[in-house]
Amino acid sequence: DGGITQSPKYLFRKEGQNVTLSCEQNLNHDAMYWYRQDPGQGLRLIYYSQIVNDFQKGDIAEGYSVSREKKESFPLTVTSAQKNPTAFYLCASSTSGGARGFFGPGTRLTVL
Amino acid sequence: KQEVTQIPAALSVPEGENLVLNCSFTDSAIYNLQWFRQDPGKGLTSLLLIQSSQREQTSGRLNASLDKSSGRSTLYIAASQPGDSATYLCAVYPQRDAGGTSYGKLTFGQGTILTVHP
Repeated sequence: DGGITQSPKYLFRKEGQNVTLSCEQNLNHDAMYWYRQDPGQGLRLIYYSQIVNDFQKGDIAEGYSVSREKKESFPLTVTSAQKNPTAFYLCASSTSGGARGFFGPGTRLTVL
Repeated sequence: KQEVTQIPAALSVPEGENLVLNCSFTDSAIYNLQWFRQDPGKGLTSLLLIQSSQREQTSGRLNASLDKSSGRSTLYIAASQPGDSATYLCAVYPQRDAGGTSYGKLTFGQGTILTVHP
């Protein structure tokens, strides 16, 4: 089945640690995205990538980093510089025209 | 900057009712509008996508309309069921840039939490 997978489903981080969230898609989509969701709020865009080896900051990129070495993969690193990282993180992909988004199941990150 | 608002924030109805969820956006220059469903702790499931040239889309008991000029969309759910209980999110895509893509950079509303009780 084609789709988007995210791992792990739950992630716990100690303060001061960097953690990396995985996102893989087999939809052959060019574009991939990372969103953050906080309780009672809509999703906010962290980073997006239109093609391999290229990515741009979204609305809330501070404290995060990404890479896009392969078309299928778009990992997100939450660095120690992110002041309030506890949230639900969603990865998405779309064709290059960006006409329709498909979402993964999400990773819930909790800072201990 | 595009802003998306969803009203009501929460809605509780008895099973069988027809209901309407509202979504408004401040910049009418959109490419597409998409309605999603989110169950607790889960990712987003696409319900309906309306292209900017369309006025409505239907899927089963769901009907979504779009009025770009007034910056509004509504999601109509007919004969609601307890299984419809979830958060419903509205999201808009910006118009395509000179390169021909909107990048899929969605702007989301805060969602409507729907509870349908038996």
